[in-house]
Parts: sequence; C-alpha cells; structure tokens
Amino acid sequence: KAGVTQTPRYLIKTRGQQVTLSCSPISGHRSVSWYQQTPGQGLQFLFEYFSETQRNKGNFPGRFSGRQFSNSRSEMNVSTLELGDSALYLCASREGGGSTDTQYFGPGTRLTVL
Amino acid sequence: AQSVSQHNHHVILSEAASLELGCNYSYGGTVNLFWYVQYPGQHLQLLLKYFSGDPLVKGIKGFEAEFIKSKFSFNLRKPSVQWSDTAEYFCAVNAPRAGNMLTFGGGTRLMVKP
Repeated sequence: KAGVTQTPRYLIKTRGQQVTLSCSPISGHRSVSWYQQTPGQGLQFLFEYFSETQRNKGNFPGRFSGRQFSNSRSEMNVSTLELGDSALYLCASREGGGSTDTQYFGPGTRLTVL
Repeated sequence: AQSVSQHNHHVILSEAASLELGCNYSYGGTVNLFWYVQYPGQHLQLLLKYFSGDPLVKGIKGFEAEFIKSKFSFNLRKPSVQWSDTAEYFCAVNAPRAGNMLTFGGGTRLMVKP
C-alpha cells in the first residue's frame, strides 16, 4: 500500500496570508491526525478526524482548522499566518479510531512564513 | 493532561556501544506507549509499542523497551548500536480516556560514530 502522502511538501507564505495543506491517508484508514513540529515546541497535536468528524483538538488557536472528506482525505487550514506558524506539519493516519492502532506518518509539509 | 519527558537531548556513541534512552511520562491512568524514530530526511516511523502484557517489548532493528509502571518509565534500549541508528528518537504516549492523540517527548538526537 502507498503510504501517507502530503502536499505540498514545501510552502512559503507571508504574514497575514492563509494556507491549506492536504493529506491523503493510507488506503482503508479512516482516522487522520495532524501534528505541528517545531524546534522549540517539538511535536504537538493539532486535531484528529475520524469518519469526517473532528474527534479531538489540541491547544491551538482558532486560526487552525481542518476537515476530512468522505474518502478520508484531510485538509488543514491556517488563516492569518504568523511568523511562529513556521513549522513542519505532519499528518498521520490509522486504520480505526482505537488508541492502540498504529499511527503512520507522512513526510510532512514544511511551511515557512516570512 | 499527560506529559512526556526525555532526559537526554543529545547522545553520541561509538558503534557497538550499548544504548539506553530515558522516557518518563506523567498520567495517572492507563496509557499506551510508543517509540518513534526519525532518520535524517525520512518520515517518523514506529519502532515499538506497548499496550498491555509483557512489559518488555521488542521492536524493529533490535530495539527493545521496558515499561516500568511504578516509575512511569518506558526506556528504549539496544545492546549494540550501528552507524545507521543515527536518528532522532521520540517517546510518545496516549491515554485512551483522554483522547487518542499522541503526546510526544522532546526527542533525543542520537549520533553514532563509525
């Protein structure tokens, strides 16, 4: 099976703009989670979607939002970008919604905000 | 909320040396425990996981980890490291009663000298 794919891989934006990142999970996986990775804060959970419903949300401002489509593909959106949003955004998928299911990570989208 | 601490931020070893990376978590309830590895330029990959049963779990590439409930620890070990083990290692937990999101430690960068 193909792994988790994320597009685009690299993105440069300026402050105040908005951005949409895309994630295609492994075929058959219904859960998609998003994480932000920065040198200062490490890996932090953003949100999780399961069968098109947001199940959990991390401690991020409302500028960060997401959605999941019926084919399990997911997008996350960041509005009014700030310099601190520069990060590697990782998407992870798992087959079901159980806590013991392994999460498989994609290569990430590196967002740079100038 | 759960939290994870990895005490060693950077570790440098020579090939064939033994490895032990510390991981402690704080959460009073049932947790699932994971170790992920991120090789240079590659995705996060699962090394091993613990849900229940034998507290000594074996993963890929000769890694193992021991869950010590009384110490809230899940240390990663390998008896003899190789140059190819150079990577960043992340300990993570999720708590089924607190949502299925992974909470990561800050990571440990391991460099193995040939």
